[in-house]
Amino acid sequence: AQSVTQPDIHITVSEGASLELRCNYSYGATPYLFWYVQSPGQGLQLLLKYFSGDTLVQGIKGFEAEFKRSQSSFNLRKPSVHWSDAAEYFCAVIYNFNKFYFGSGTKLNVKP
Amino acid sequence: DAMVIQNPRYQVTQFGKPVTLSCSQTLNHNVMYWYQQKSSQAPKLLFHYYDKDFNNEADTPDNFQSRRPNTSFCFLDIRSPGLGDAAMYLCATSRGQRGSTDTQYFGPGTRLTVL
Repeated sequence: AQSVTQPDIHITVSEGASLELRCNYSYGATPYLFWYVQSPGQGLQLLLKYFSGDTLVQGIKGFEAEFKRSQSSFNLRKPSVHWSDAAEYFCAVIYNFNKFYFGSGTKLNVKP
Repeated sequence: DAMVIQNPRYQVTQFGKPVTLSCSQTLNHNVMYWYQQKSSQAPKLLFHYYDKDFNNEADTPDNFQSRRPNTSFCFLDIRSPGLGDAAMYLCATSRGQRGSTDTQYFGPGTRLTVL
């Protein structure tokens, strides 16, 4: 069965520090992977996506993610976190054509 | 700007009183989705329309219905809201080209409160 696991429910980092949010997937075929960000009370905004090609993908707001097939992972990274990055982050995989399966989310808190 | 619009942003209804949430899009996308997101949980797909074809998730309660009168608009009807239906309802769209995999674009959501 397809699944997406985000092992960290909450993460706190200091402003200016680096960030890595973990995402592992279980899917038999070639995955199509996404990271979305959700600010409180808002909808989901697409950060980046991986369909094929270069396994390191660049997104908006200075985020990047690396697809590692051997580890079934698609971790999100940012070299220097800003206070405005505090939000909830969702990893998602597409299965069955257009149907998304979301991870449970990671809430990011940024300390000043 | 082209976008996915949801109205209202906040909706309060009474237990058992029917309520309708609205979604419109200017992206001219074929597919429209409705998700339910409860506090601190991932969005859960309720159903989606591929053009006029309605696709219901197996575990979506009968209390939830949807209408898509045209390409731009899609409505979520909750016939008899219960306290457990209080949630954020997210609308999303995708291009829906056959045989391709599409990004989904989300609206800002409607926060439903049931009193």
